[in-house]
Amino acid sequence: EDKVVQSPLSLVVHEGDTVTLNCSYEVTNFRSLLWYKQEKKAPTFLFMLTSSGIEKKSGRLSSILDKKELFSILNITATQTGDSAVYLCAVEDAGGTSYGKLTFGQGTILTVHP
Amino acid sequence: DSGVTQTPKHLITATGQRVTLRCSPRSGDLSVYWYQQSLDQGLQFLIQYYNGEERAKGNILERFSAQQFPDLHSELNLSSLELGDSALYFCASSASLANQQFFGPGTRLTVL
Repeated sequence: EDKVVQSPLSLVVHEGDTVTLNCSYEVTNFRSLLWYKQEKKAPTFLFMLTSSGIEKKSGRLSSILDKKELFSILNITATQTGDSAVYLCAVEDAGGTSYGKLTFGQGTILTVHP
Repeated sequence: DSGVTQTPKHLITATGQRVTLRCSPRSGDLSVYWYQQSLDQGLQFLIQYYNGEERAKGNILERFSAQQFPDLHSELNLSSLELGDSALYFCASSASLANQQFFGPGTRLTVL
């Protein structure tokens, strides 16, 4: 069974700090790893990672995947109060009838104080 | 706004009842996914449909069923409801089987 573990579960920082969120995974047939941001509503897509060592960047957010060690990190620099949210990591299955299925981690709750 | 719509937004019902949640995918998307999010279980994959056919099943209870109609909207039917079924139910859609998934706003189900 596919498994995703995120750490830390909760993080409280001040505006301007840099944070690193971790995601480790076990999946039988790996296709991709995705990061989502969830505020009070639906998860919104941040990144999809398929190749090791290639950093994806969007503004103050960046992410990288290590397929050998089976983990990914999400970095947020110069945090703002608007970054407060739950950050979800998910792995996408590439196998047979499970193709496209996402398995999510439990999420990291990030709170940014002014 | 992801373009995925879900109705109703909130649903309050009693144990033993049956409810239907509805999802309309983004225009052009063929694949629909259903997820359940509860405080203790996190976001759990339930079932996936592609162009009207069931493609993958996750931890979906036998009391739950889903279908995707010719116009590509999907319904999730939950029957013999129990207190533990109270959760946020999300629908997501993607263009094809394994493209990026876009999530709808969710239906919050409360079983009393």
